[in-house]
Amino acid sequence: EVQLVESGGDLVQRGGSLRLSCATSGFTFSKYAMSWVRQAPGKGLEWVSTISGNGVATYYADSVKGRSTISRDNSKSTLYLQLNTLRDEDTAVYYCVRDTSGWYYFDYWGQGTLVTVSS
Amino acid sequence: QLTQSPSSLSASVGDRVTITCRASQGMSTFLAWYQQKPGKAPKLLISSASTLESGVPSRFSGSGSGTDFTLTISSLQPEDFATYYCQVLNSYRWTFGQGTKVEIK
Repeated sequence: EVQLVESGGDLVQRGGSLRLSCATSGFTFSKYAMSWVRQAPGKGLEWVSTISGNGVATYYADSVKGRSTISRDNSKSTLYLQLNTLRDEDTAVYYCVRDTSGWYYFDYWGQGTLVTVSS
Repeated sequence: QLTQSPSSLSASVGDRVTITCRASQGMSTFLAWYQQKPGKAPKLLISSASTLESGVPSRFSGSGSGTDFTLTISSLQPEDFATYYCQVLNSYRWTFGQGTKVEIK
């Protein structure tokens, strides 16, 4: 059974930093691109970042580009998202998601971890 | 850019429901639909515009190509009340529609 379990969400001050983690199991982690998708309270879904299976290629939404870093440790089947210079608008539930084999879609989602940015 | 319509709708159990997603540029058939219930993570329902994911009831169907896509629920069931999102990939940018909330009438 595929499982994605996020952790690291917290209440942080504006301008602060946070690292989210996603522990995975039930599939060959290194064979899949992985992504982060977020959802602000009461709002829709927003793609944040994607990383290829070997970690070489990374992609970011304009809203977080330059302030965030996606990475992975294939030996630990774990995905990470480093968020820096946090803004109010980064407040959201962050979902760890597995990309389908063609990268087009997201077939498995974690339960989400809440990041709250406070002044 | 993806534009869903309507943004919300009220329907009764047994109704046929159609949700539309319009892309600002042609997406071939590389479009997905997700269902999200309150407090839960989204669930992939349909990929490649019309391919039903394993375990998804057959009352769900998707159609369309290019810029216009639809999600249809042929006979709405109580467990289908949720928010639905379309999603595409274009030039390594994954984009979601703004969502359509399906509520009980």
